[in-house]
Amino acid sequence: ETGVTQSPTHLIKTRGQQVTLRCSSQSGHNTVSWYQQALGQGPQFIFQYYREEENGRGNFPPRFSGLQFPNYSSELNVNALELDDSALYLCASSPGSGGGRGDTQYFGPGTRLTVL
Amino acid sequence: AQSVAQPEDQVNVAEGNPLTVKCTYSVSGNPYLFWYVQYPNRGLQFLLKYITGDNLVKGSYGFEAEFNKSQTSFHLKKPSALVSDSALYFCFSNMNTGFQKLVFGTGTRLLVSP
Repeated sequence: ETGVTQSPTHLIKTRGQQVTLRCSSQSGHNTVSWYQQALGQGPQFIFQYYREEENGRGNFPPRFSGLQFPNYSSELNVNALELDDSALYLCASSPGSGGGRGDTQYFGPGTRLTVL
Repeated sequence: AQSVAQPEDQVNVAEGNPLTVKCTYSVSGNPYLFWYVQYPNRGLQFLLKYITGDNLVKGSYGFEAEFNKSQTSFHLKKPSALVSDSALYFCFSNMNTGFQKLVFGTGTRLLVSP
């Protein structure tokens, strides 16, 4: 059974640029969540996708957007990058029906984004 | 506001001693509470969760957690700490109110000394 994978591992961008991060969910999982983890802090919920529809969002501006594909893989897009966007971006997948409250999330290793 | 809190930034314990990492919650309705662990430069690993039922939940690597409704707490425990338990621990809750709201605590660094 393949776990959650993310690409790329590391990424360096400059302020104002756009970035796309990718996530492949664990086999059999139909729900994907994205988190931002700044250095020394806990992960902050960005949004969640279930069957290609967004069904939850944290306090992030619209320049953070996402997609989920029919195979349940997902992308996180960030436009107009700011210095404060530098962080570890984590993807998690879970089974079940649209992120039931008791569903366990399984995390990928993350993408480290540095904005200069 | 609904939240989870981890009051200790760091916990130090000697190997072989029991450990406790604290978490308190403020959640409307029934809480759904989880513990995750993060090792350096790695993603988060699931340890255990409380949904309903027995207040003592057993999880991976010998960890357990006690749900206490009257104290609104969900403390993580282990009877005998290992040096390899040194990591960052996060309490987590899914506060679904019709639209997903997933909340992590700020994390507690556990240092187990030999």
